[in-house]
Amino acid sequence: QLQMQASGPGLAKPSETLSLNCPVSGGTISTSSYYWAWIRQPPGEGLEWIGSVYYSGDTYYNSSLKSRVTISVDTSKNQFSLKLSSVTVADTAVYYCARYLRDGDSFDYWGQGIMVTVSS
Amino acid sequence: SALTQPASVSGSPGQSLTISCTGSSRDVGSYNYVSWYKQHPGEVPKLIIYEVTKRLSGVSDRFSGSKSGNTASLTISGLQAEDGADYYCSSYANSSTWVFGTGTGVTVL
Repeated sequence: QLQMQASGPGLAKPSETLSLNCPVSGGTISTSSYYWAWIRQPPGEGLEWIGSVYYSGDTYYNSSLKSRVTISVDTSKNQFSLKLSSVTVADTAVYYCARYLRDGDSFDYWGQGIMVTVSS
Repeated sequence: SALTQPASVSGSPGQSLTISCTGSSRDVGSYNYVSWYKQHPGEVPKLIIYEVTKRLSGVSDRFSGSKSGNTASLTISGLQAEDGADYYCSSYANSSTWVFGTGTGVTVL
């Protein structure tokens, strides 16, 4: 059974770079069937797609975050990662890693999110 | 920008309700790649509808999806207490980007 859970520091200071990993177990990340995505949800607010990565390394980003976001994939470790630079309080959110099914065009599996608080 | 959903809708047990999801010709209007997610407070969102009308295996047939122009809709028929949750739509936009709706809180009276 697929398992994904975002991991990383739960606290970041303003202007720092937030770094999260999403190790994938129970399945391979090196498949043409899926994209791998980061999605966030500020407290009490809605979902926001941050970006996605294909196993080949191709990346796609939300235009509103593109200048600060880097998403990468490490097939040898079967995981993908998120880096968000120059964070502010507005970046405080639960960060989810998710799987996007190409033949279904939907986020069909979501990992347990991690709450990241940006505070000095 | 985010797809527009009503902030909240409510209904009595047994009734039907519909949640709208309004986008534009750049997303909902151009692609049949609208999906719907259900999220209970503090929990992970779960896929219920994909490609506008298709129910995920195991999802009750009380849930149905549709689309007209730039607006997609999720209908819950025979409303039950466990349907109370937040619901989000999502659509493929262009150039391999995706957008979510603003979310709708469903209350079962």
